[in-house]
Amino acid sequence: DAGVTQSPTHLIKTRGQQVTLRCSPISGHKSVSWYQQVLGQGPQFIFQYYEKEERGRGNFPDRFSARQFPNYSSELNVNALLLGDSALYLCASSFGGPLSYNEQFFGPGTRLTVL
Amino acid sequence: ILNVEQSPQSLHVQEGDSTNFTCSFPSSNFYALHWYRWETAKSPEALFVMTLNGDEKKKGRISATLNTKEGYSYLYIKGSQPEDSATYLCAFPTGTGRRALTFGSGTRLQVQP
Repeated sequence: DAGVTQSPTHLIKTRGQQVTLRCSPISGHKSVSWYQQVLGQGPQFIFQYYEKEERGRGNFPDRFSARQFPNYSSELNVNALLLGDSALYLCASSFGGPLSYNEQFFGPGTRLTVL
Repeated sequence: ILNVEQSPQSLHVQEGDSTNFTCSFPSSNFYALHWYRWETAKSPEALFVMTLNGDEKKKGRISATLNTKEGYSYLYIKGSQPEDSATYLCAFPTGTGRRALTFGSGTRLQVQP
């Protein structure tokens, strides 16, 4: 079975542009979460979607938005890009229950560079 | 804001050395603790999900213990190998329904052959 997949792998944008990142969860997983990871820090939670509804949001500005589709894949959109948005964006999927006994499985990430 | 601290930040050991690192967390309102291994250019890989005080889990040469009363978890690697070189992250379920994770900054381990 394929793991979590993300596209594109790398992306270069300029300040002010908009970007869309894509994620396909593991088959059977209904929850998708997005994280931002900058050098020297652990991943920071951005959004969590379950059954196509936003169930959680981290401390990120409104320039960040996301959605989940009927097939449970997801997109993360970032508008009006800033230099500080340069980071690795990780997608993770899980069955959907609380993360007590359930694991989150991560994709390889999309490396976004904003010039 | 949930504060998850990991120490040390980085560690260099020789092949064959045993090593351990720490994840500290607020002991009140404990729910679960996740450990991940993250090798360069790969996806973070789940190692353990720990939920009970006194839990000990093992996967090959890697093991972890949990003390929820004092708020820490230790990750041990016995006889480190170069392929153990990675960043080791601990994380807490947070948010509504606890479906997202709050991560520590990680411990970066380098094993020299």
